[in-house]
Amino acid sequence: KNEVEQSPQNLTAQEGEFITINCSYSVGISALHWLQQHPGGGIVSLFMLSSGKKKHGRLIATINIQEKHSSLHITASHPRDSAVYICAVHLRGGADGLTFGKGTHLIIQP
Amino acid sequence: NAGVTQTPKFRVLKTGQSMTLLCAQDMNHEYMYWYRQDPGMGLRLIHYSVGEGTTAKGEVPDGYNVSRLKKQNFLLGLESAAPSQTSVYFCASSYAGTRPKGEQYFGPGTRLTVT
Repeated sequence: KNEVEQSPQNLTAQEGEFITINCSYSVGISALHWLQQHPGGGIVSLFMLSSGKKKHGRLIATINIQEKHSSLHITASHPRDSAVYICAVHLRGGADGLTFGKGTHLIIQP
Repeated sequence: NAGVTQTPKFRVLKTGQSMTLLCAQDMNHEYMYWYRQDPGMGLRLIHYSVGEGTTAKGEVPDGYNVSRLKKQNFLLGLESAAPSQTSVYFCASSYAGTRPKGEQYFGPGTRLTVT
């Protein structure tokens, strides 16, 4: 079983829709990251969370430590939001690198 | 600032050949990482370094070696390439001050094909 599970794997939505991507993890963590990977391949860090909620523009990330669950929301989605969104965690007591989910491929249609 | 750069961007190797991937960062980060990304597998940690002169194994270290002789550079070596090492390789770096929670900055990736 993967330590980090994302859902859905694929999501197609219309421009303007509210988007939610979910991430569940099965082990203790010290922090959770949301990353964005565009079709060109580059990876950008969106958020790093250890508790609560963060907002940046139209993006909102939340984490519930007790339930081992995080969500990434996109409000007023736009075609330029089309990308792969990746959840990753820093395991408590593990290697210093990240452990990744397999990503959610999001397509926003005009 | 260039951020994190990787050399080369693309490479095709024959089985058994060797090569070195170079990662450089100009942000004075202590921590550097090498990941590989394969379809259906997600990103996986190969090796990492918490400072100049130090390296450690990650989740999938077999077949790779690394060196961190200078703080700004992290080298990934393949001594005898195998088709299973066909992948996209990403380097990343982060600050040490908020270890292990530091935001990671990724390079553009190196697409390696081993035939």
